[in-house]
Amino acid sequence: DAKTTQPPSMDCAEGRAANLPCNHSTISGNEYVYWYRQIHSQGPQYIIHGLKNNETNEMASLIITEDRKSSTLILPHATLRDTAVYYCIVDSGNTPLVFGKGTRLSVIA
Amino acid sequence: NAGVMQNPRHLVRRRGQEARLRCSPMKGHSHVYWYRQLPEEGLKFMVYLQKENIIDESGMPKERFSAEFPKEGPSILRIQQVVRGDSAAYFCASSPRTKIPGELFFGEGSRLTVL
Repeated sequence: DAKTTQPPSMDCAEGRAANLPCNHSTISGNEYVYWYRQIHSQGPQYIIHGLKNNETNEMASLIITEDRKSSTLILPHATLRDTAVYYCIVDSGNTPLVFGKGTRLSVIA
Repeated sequence: NAGVMQNPRHLVRRRGQEARLRCSPMKGHSHVYWYRQLPEEGLKFMVYLQKENIIDESGMPKERFSAEFPKEGPSILRIQQVVRGDSAAYFCASSPRTKIPGELFFGEGSRLTVL
């Protein structure tokens, strides 16, 4: 079973920042937070990961709370092509990734 | 550097036939994972293989399903005597499992339809 809780769906206006929350209150000290997304009918795509520091790459930013019990994925300027299901996953690297139901993000023009 | 290649992209089989799905990992990746996604459901882990070895098959159905990743050639997911419930998208992912063990590179999937 997934160790994370995400809202089932969210809307975001095109050009605005999309902030996707994730709760992982039972996360262990050696577990990373990974974010993936799956655009309709395509294979999942890795976005970003972090342990305890905030991270940023060309796709997104990841903000992890100090107690590591929750995190937020930020897409700074959402476009229509960012419409997808976003998965938040916690994993130690010792087991295969477990995908939950994710958040269905709809970017609206 | 080509991505993970899966074929066929679409496969139609009648009940009782066999389905063979192939996955060529990214160059330099020796770890392969297979996931299944039923219609309108999430991704479910099936099996994790490293060259010539099955590392974790805890998600594989006990009967009719098998997987291999030979020393040469692609990884194969084989489904014998298919049933309608096997209709799904099957995704393969590869990883070098070096710096970021959870960074998987997925293929575009093979969609199996059982008539």
